[in-house]
Amino acid sequence: GAGVSQSPSNKVTEKGKDVELRCDPISGHTALYWYRQSLGQGLEFLIYFQGNSAPDKSGLPSDRFSAERTGGSVSTLTIQRTQQEDSAVYLCASSLALVWSPLHFGNGTRLTVT
Amino acid sequence: GQQVMQIPQYQHVQEGEDFTTYCNSSTTLSNIQWYKQRPGGHPVFLIQLVKSGEVKKQKRLTFQFGEAKKNSSLHITATQTTDVGTYFCAGVFTGNQFYFGTGTSLTVIP
Repeated sequence: GAGVSQSPSNKVTEKGKDVELRCDPISGHTALYWYRQSLGQGLEFLIYFQGNSAPDKSGLPSDRFSAERTGGSVSTLTIQRTQQEDSAVYLCASSLALVWSPLHFGNGTRLTVT
Repeated sequence: GQQVMQIPQYQHVQEGEDFTTYCNSSTTLSNIQWYKQRPGGHPVFLIQLVKSGEVKKQKRLTFQFGEAKKNSSLHITATQTTDVGTYFCAGVFTGNQFYFGTGTSLTVIP
């Protein structure tokens, strides 16, 4: 079956512009996560959606970052007024959210802010 | 906040040598998962450990979960060039929130 799909795969934007990154999780997966990975670094948690519950936004680095998940499926991560330090790979993952289900990652969106 | 620390950050080994990466938490984990990320790829799930003192093997890979459920290790016997990548542990304290370690980047020299 299809895996987690992210688009675009690459995005180059000018400093100050807004960007939207999309994640289409595996069908039936109720949990969805966004992570950020800078070059050669680990995975930085951004936000977590679980079903209809309020999302865990504790990892969002600033109020320029926001995310939504429509209909319990597709999610969009929005970065407003992008800065150069936002340059990174943004990874989306989904899971069944059963106790201790593994995460299935997408291929990520590589964001470059010039 | 809750953190999972992972060491070493980098490891270079000759092909055929063994490799180990360690994860540590200051508080008890409910479970821990391990992921592998090949260069240019995304993390891929390897295994999950749940029970205190649990040991699991996958061919040349051995995973351990400490008795206190605060630490874990991944050991690769006789590394091969296909083992190259970054290995991450991801600890779960409560619920479904995953805290990833910083990763260990493994280079295997042929």
